[in-house]
Amino acid sequence: DVQLVESGGGLVQPGGSLRLSCAASGITFSDHNMDWVRQAPGKGLEWVGRSRDKPNGYSTDYAASVKGRFTISRDDSKSSLYLQMDSLKTEDTAVYYCASDRGYWGQGTLVTVSS
Amino acid sequence: DVVLTQSPLSLPVTLGQPASISCRSGQSLVHSDGNTYLNWFQQRPGQSPRRLINQVSKRDSGVPDRFSGSGSGTDFTLKISRVEAEDVGVYYCMQGTHWPPLTFGGGTKVEIK
Repeated sequence: DVQLVESGGGLVQPGGSLRLSCAASGITFSDHNMDWVRQAPGKGLEWVGRSRDKPNGYSTDYAASVKGRFTISRDDSKSSLYLQMDSLKTEDTAVYYCASDRGYWGQGTLVTVSS
Repeated sequence: DVVLTQSPLSLPVTLGQPASISCRSGQSLVHSDGNTYLNWFQQRPGQSPRRLINQVSKRDSGVPDRFSGSGSGTDFTLKISRVEAEDVGVYYCMQGTHWPPLTFGGGTKVEIK
């Protein structure tokens, strides 16, 4: 069975930092483009960014709303994806999902940015 | 950025009856490789999204055959042939043709009358 398990969410003050992790199992992780997608409370889905797969050089892309503040990385030896979030704003409050471009999604982890 | 407009916003349906959701794109979603990267997702209450359909009409593994996707260019449709109670939730279309960014429609809430 394929599993994507996010962790690292929590409460952080505006301007603070947080690092999310996503551990994958049941897939050949290096073959997958991996996304972070978020959902603010009661709102729709918003793409955050992507880490391309090994054949595509592990390059990354970001939504304009997080570019320069968020950094996506991956460790294929650990089948893990990461999201480093810096300079957090209240509008970054959301459930953060990791997802594979082949349709697999995790259960999400809640990030709350509040003073 | 590609804007996806879903309609209706809310869809009350009688059990056993069909349902149809529209997704319209601000530009053609045909990729230069000839494929059309338009996906549909279901999000049941309290759950994470689940992909139902990829590339317009390809059902993902384990998805009941009462779900079907169709369309081309800028106009796409998700159909449920006979709505069941477990189909309640919000449905999103998403395009992966012109990215970054990947973009989602605003969602359609399906509920039972």
